[in-house]
Amino acid sequence: SQQGEEDPQALSIQEGENATMNCSYKTSINNLQWYRQNSGRGLVHLILIRSNEREKHSGRLRVTLDTSKKSSSLLITASRAADTASYFCATVGGMTTDSWGKLQFGAGTQVVVTP
Amino acid sequence: DGGITQSPKYLFRKEGQNVTLSCEQNLNHDAMYWYRQDPGQGLRLIYYSQIVNDFQKGDIAEGYSVSREKKESFPLTVTSAQKNPTAFYLCASTPGLAYNEQFFGPGTRLTVL
Repeated sequence: SQQGEEDPQALSIQEGENATMNCSYKTSINNLQWYRQNSGRGLVHLILIRSNEREKHSGRLRVTLDTSKKSSSLLITASRAADTASYFCATVGGMTTDSWGKLQFGAGTQVVVTP
Repeated sequence: DGGITQSPKYLFRKEGQNVTLSCEQNLNHDAMYWYRQDPGQGLRLIYYSQIVNDFQKGDIAEGYSVSREKKESFPLTVTSAQKNPTAFYLCASTPGLAYNEQFFGPGTRLTVL
């Protein structure tokens, strides 16, 4: 089953602009992760935020988590053409849930950054 | 170089044939996973293994089988019972089930003709 849903499905921006994508999920989580996938390639882990954290940064990436709304957002600042990829959120359930240790992915947001 | 390798990158098979996809890692990770990805969709878990000689079904295990005889290797067999096998298959590993961040291989695109 797919736990998360990303919004929007696709995003087209110009270099230098910020890109924001959102992820909503249904059940309680231990952590939420964001991954990036270039076309036809494997996924690359970007950032992990735990259920007791509200915001995390990594370079040009900023992730927020609102557990009361069961939602997360990923912001890419000052985007570059090389940021063109699909971005997926994935959740890991708590230790007492069936999804402990397993990632449940959303359908992803396809981001195109034009020079 | 440490990492996860999958072979082949592209695979073509006739309908009704079983096919085995390779996944090897030299990261000394205990846990390994197989996912299926269809166009425009996220990843769905097929099987996972926490340790050698042990594996569990994921969300879409029907028509697939796996083995884990060695820590480094987790091959996936797509059997003729899988009704719609054409997809992109991704293998991943983590040091342990509780580690959470997964390291992915480059994927194998399987096309059944």
